[in-house]
Amino acid sequence: SQTIHQWPATLVQPVGSPLSLECTVEGTSNPNLYWYRQAAGRGLQLLFYSVGIGQISSEVPQNLSASRPQDRQFILSSKKLLLSDSGFYLCAWSVQFGRVSSYNSPLHFGNGTRLTVT
Amino acid sequence: QKEVEQNSGPLSVPEGAIASLNCTYSDRGSQSFFWYRQYSGKSPELIMSIYSNGDKEDGRFTAQLNKASQYVSLLIRDSQPSDSATYLCAVVHYNQGGKLIFGQGTELSVKP
Repeated sequence: SQTIHQWPATLVQPVGSPLSLECTVEGTSNPNLYWYRQAAGRGLQLLFYSVGIGQISSEVPQNLSASRPQDRQFILSSKKLLLSDSGFYLCAWSVQFGRVSSYNSPLHFGNGTRLTVT
Repeated sequence: QKEVEQNSGPLSVPEGAIASLNCTYSDRGSQSFFWYRQYSGKSPELIMSIYSNGDKEDGRFTAQLNKASQYVSLLIRDSQPSDSATYLCAVVHYNQGGKLIFGQGTELSVKP
C-alpha cells in the first residue's frame, strides 16, 4: 500500500531563516506530488505541484520554492522566511493526471508540518 | 462564482441526527468528486468518492451527486460527537487538466 511521510511535524523558525520541508512517498511510482498551505481557519492553498523529476509548477508567486530531486521525494524550501509564511504545510500525492484514469484519482495527504515564524 | 463552494458553518446538530453538508461547483465537465474530513490540527482524510449521479453509501455516510444541478452533498446518519470536524468538498476540474479544487470547508459540530 502507498504511504506518504512528511517531516518535521512542527517547526518554529525566526524571520529571515531558511526552510526545508521534506516529503517522501512509498508504494507507488511516478506520482503527482503537491505542496499545500493552510493558514489558520482558512482553506487549502495549492503552492506547487510536480508531474515528474525536476518538473515543478508554481500556483502562486511567493517566497517559497519546491524541488523534486527523485521520483518520490518533494522538497519545499525558502531562503528567508517571512511572518506570513506561518501555516500548516501539507504534502500530497495522486495518480498522475494526464492519463484518463487519473481524473478519478483523489489526493492523499501526509500528516503535515505546522510552521510558526516568529 | 467560486469554483467549489461550501457553506462555512458552523453546522450544529444533536447526537443521533442526520448532518447534511452541501457543495456546488462551477465546471460542468467535472466527473470526479470527493469528500474529506479534517479534524482540528490534522491533515485532510479522504472519506468518500463519487463519480456517477445518484447516491453512494458507505456505512453512516452517503454521498449524493446531481451533475445537472452541479451539486454534491454528504449525509452523515446517526451523527456522533467524533464526527465533529471540518468537511472539505473537492472536485476534479476537467478544464484545468484534472486538478483537484477544494472548497473552503464546512465545520460540523455534533452536540452530545
